[in-house]
Amino acid sequence: NAGVTQTPKFQVLKTGQSMTLQCAQDMNHNSMYWYRQDPGMGLRLIYYSASEGTTDKGEVPNGYNVSRLNKREFSLRLESAAPSQTSVYFCASSGDRLGQETQYFGPGTRLLVL
Amino acid sequence: QQQVKQSPQSLIVQKGGISIINCAYENTAFDYFPWYQQFPGKGPALLIAIRPDVSEKKEGRFTISFNKSAKQFSLHIMDSQPGDSATYFCAARAWRSGNTPLVFGKGTRLSVIA
Repeated sequence: NAGVTQTPKFQVLKTGQSMTLQCAQDMNHNSMYWYRQDPGMGLRLIYYSASEGTTDKGEVPNGYNVSRLNKREFSLRLESAAPSQTSVYFCASSGDRLGQETQYFGPGTRLLVL
Repeated sequence: QQQVKQSPQSLIVQKGGISIINCAYENTAFDYFPWYQQFPGKGPALLIAIRPDVSEKKEGRFTISFNKSAKQFSLHIMDSQPGDSATYFCAARAWRSGNTPLVFGKGTRLSVIA
């Protein structure tokens, strides 16, 4: 049981390049999320998917697209990377643990856009 | 608009002391209040959570106090240890409103010094 896995762990991009961040969970959770974390800004929700086949915008969706490929996988795409997208990106999925809803986070992807 | 306000931004506590982190919210539909703990280089992990039908929940050295009328909740860490040094996030969710995502505070960096 790997929980939530993310690839890659670290990436350097040049401005204008595109890339896809991959996320998978093996806990059979319906809901999945993408966050970015910047110093002093906390965790900001980019997009989420309440169930397979649905996606919704979060607080900071501009410049990103997502795909809920199946119940396990939720990818985040940067079509044209900008320096402002330099951040640590976390994927999460949520389900019940001992009767309370819990979000399980992946280890993060550190992205540097030059 | 920041829906969950967390303070302080950073906190230094002596080993054995009490660490207190506070959060306030405005949305009266919020009915689930978790705290997440994040160590450097890792994703956040659920620490403890409370629902508004109780005013306090304790798990080991960690206690959530909840004041529904003031719309505030706080995390108390008793007998703080160097291993508690981490970033702590409060969060809130309107559970009964359906699949709404968690709203996070901006985080508190706790340093416990010997």
